[in-house]
Amino acid sequence: GAVVSQHPSWVICKSGTSVKIECRSLDFQATTMFWYRQFPKQSLMLMATSNEGSKATYEQGVEKDKFLINHASLTLSTLTVTSAHPEDSSFYICSARATDRSSYNSPLHFGNGTRLTVT
Amino acid sequence: QKEVEQDPGPLSVPEGAIVSLNCTYSNSAFQYFMWYRQYSRKGPELLMYTYSSGNKEDGRFTAQVDKSSKYISLFIRDSQPSDSATYLCAMTRNSGNTPLVFGKGTRLSVIA
Repeated sequence: GAVVSQHPSWVICKSGTSVKIECRSLDFQATTMFWYRQFPKQSLMLMATSNEGSKATYEQGVEKDKFLINHASLTLSTLTVTSAHPEDSSFYICSARATDRSSYNSPLHFGNGTRLTVT
Repeated sequence: QKEVEQDPGPLSVPEGAIVSLNCTYSNSAFQYFMWYRQYSRKGPELLMYTYSSGNKEDGRFTAQVDKSSKYISLFIRDSQPSDSATYLCAMTRNSGNTPLVFGKGTRLSVIA
């Protein structure tokens, strides 16, 4: 089945620094990837939709200057948390859907997430 | 009213029991329905994927969709301790690049 790889799986950083999270589709191409955030015992909250070759679409309340998204190729999207603060500590998960003839019926596959802790 | 409602549990059952997990939704435009399983500190793993109303079976798992009632279910037969996880329902209007709308997830514990 489709595999989405996310790296790193966990990261600890100091307040004020920036952290980059990578999301790769390993065996399929994805023109669109989605970035979610999940707090403990909560569901996934969509942050933004990442489109290959164009600007990301951010959900209401998500600061686009703080959460920079780059989707430079059909297999890679990155999320950079800039000037991270302790309240940015969370579980960040990316997801992607195969882009091919069958994509209309393709479900969404998730990476294993990145646990960010800002101290 | 939230678009997707799911009882967060926790739900605790003995090994071998039949588990029933449910979600209700309010948007009649939803056509694609999914169930994901999420272990602690891991990303969601797709379990079942159905289109419109009906049943779908895969091993010990059965997904049911009743669009007239806006109600979906996931049944787990012969539950195992390894089934202990959080189960998230998700749905969308179409399977293009429309984001999924998730339920809050139900925490399930299967006791040996």
